[in-house]
Amino acid sequence: DQQVKQNSPSLSVQEGRISILNCDYTNSMFDYFLWYKKYPAEGPTFLISISSIKDKNEDGRFTVFLNKSAKHLSLHIVPSQPGDSAVYFCAASPFSSASKIIFGSGTRLSIRP
Amino acid sequence: DTAVSQTPKYLVTQMGNDKSIKCEQNLGHDTMYWYKQDSKKFLKIMFSYNNKELIINETVPNRFSPKSPDKAHLNLHINSLELGDSAVYFCASSQAITRAEFHEQYFGPGTRLTVT
Repeated sequence: DQQVKQNSPSLSVQEGRISILNCDYTNSMFDYFLWYKKYPAEGPTFLISISSIKDKNEDGRFTVFLNKSAKHLSLHIVPSQPGDSAVYFCAASPFSSASKIIFGSGTRLSIRP
Repeated sequence: DTAVSQTPKYLVTQMGNDKSIKCEQNLGHDTMYWYKQDSKKFLKIMFSYNNKELIINETVPNRFSPKSPDKAHLNLHINSLELGDSAVYFCASSQAITRAEFHEQYFGPGTRLTVT
């Protein structure tokens, strides 16, 4: 039962353009959402998060949008850079278990020159 | 200086064997975790320890036993290894004082376990 879904396994974007990575969730008990980035042969690294009381959180080139009614969140990267090529994991956490994170299957982002 | 380290990086072993994966963090964090990344690339939490106390224990076979000798270490011992245990296992840690800090987890590089 996939509670966090990333339906696009891969995405290719030209350098300098906007990258948009999408994520859907099914559990209405989730109230905290995160994005992690992973390079090959390394562990995931935390990128950005958003609480359910907000609909947008911005950190430099990265912005996460949350649409609670649609149970959808997205990560925007502007402008995309070659170093952004990695696998991006969407994740969510329920209020009842703050340290428990449910991850999606990841989207591989490739930035082409 | 590696923040979260795991040993070994690769582990190849036969079915039925017992093996351990070690994890150490030098960040002074209170909470440590073990995750399993399966063949479909999902990262699933297995265990979480806070100050050496087990706080999350997902539906994991009891062949898997975590051991936390101190706050900086969380080792994973696996008995009677099976083919389905083949996966990449990640250790992680977080400060876990505020909700946000719980989620800013620092991951180790992973241990690729192959059971033949």
